[in-house]
Amino acid sequence: NAGVMQNPRHLVRRRGQEARLRCSPMKGHSHVYWYRQLPEEGLKFMVYLQKENIIDESGMPKERFSAEFPKEGPSILRIQQVVRGDSAAYFCASSPDQGLNGYTFGSGTRLTVV
Amino acid sequence: GQQLNQSPQSMFIQEGEDVSMNCTSSSIFNTWLWYKQDPGEGPVLLIALYKAGELTSNGRLTAQFGITRKDSFLNISASIPSDVGIYFCAAGSGNTGKLIFGQGTTLQVKP
Repeated sequence: NAGVMQNPRHLVRRRGQEARLRCSPMKGHSHVYWYRQLPEEGLKFMVYLQKENIIDESGMPKERFSAEFPKEGPSILRIQQVVRGDSAAYFCASSPDQGLNGYTFGSGTRLTVV
Repeated sequence: GQQLNQSPQSMFIQEGEDVSMNCTSSSIFNTWLWYKQDPGEGPVLLIALYKAGELTSNGRLTAQFGITRKDSFLNISASIPSDVGIYFCAAGSGNTGKLIFGQGTTLQVKP
């Protein structure tokens, strides 16, 4: 009974490259959320997706960031032309419905931009 | 925007002592959650509170959902070394699925 799976665990990118972060929700969960955590800070909401739909992207930067959750396969958070300020831990969470019951976080992807 | 003020920022205590931390906000929330995060890992849920005034325990942990729906506290009794970590409060409203997090309380326990 696997939990929320994120990969890679660590990702190093040079400035200007693209970063693709993957999240496979728990079995039976169709709602996915992405959060960003800077060092010594709390998590900040980025985007909420349901299969093939973006429900709330109020926390996503307007440029370079995009997210998708296709009918088949994991959710992808994509960061184009990365800059040093994108270095952070990115966490994905999933839930079985819109509420907060069963809301479970993955172990995160640590992105380092050099 | 909505934000949670969590305090204290850090605590250094002796093993066996009790610990208390809290979160306040100017906004009203329907759900309060308390998480623990170990280095290199994601947050793990400790206690979930869904009703104003609710007091819930999980072993040595006790948390309360403030009656005004704008605050919550977490108590840890008889601390042990494995309690070391960062504790976060988080709050949510309605069925948006979006959580607001506090800044975290770093707990260190001296054996």
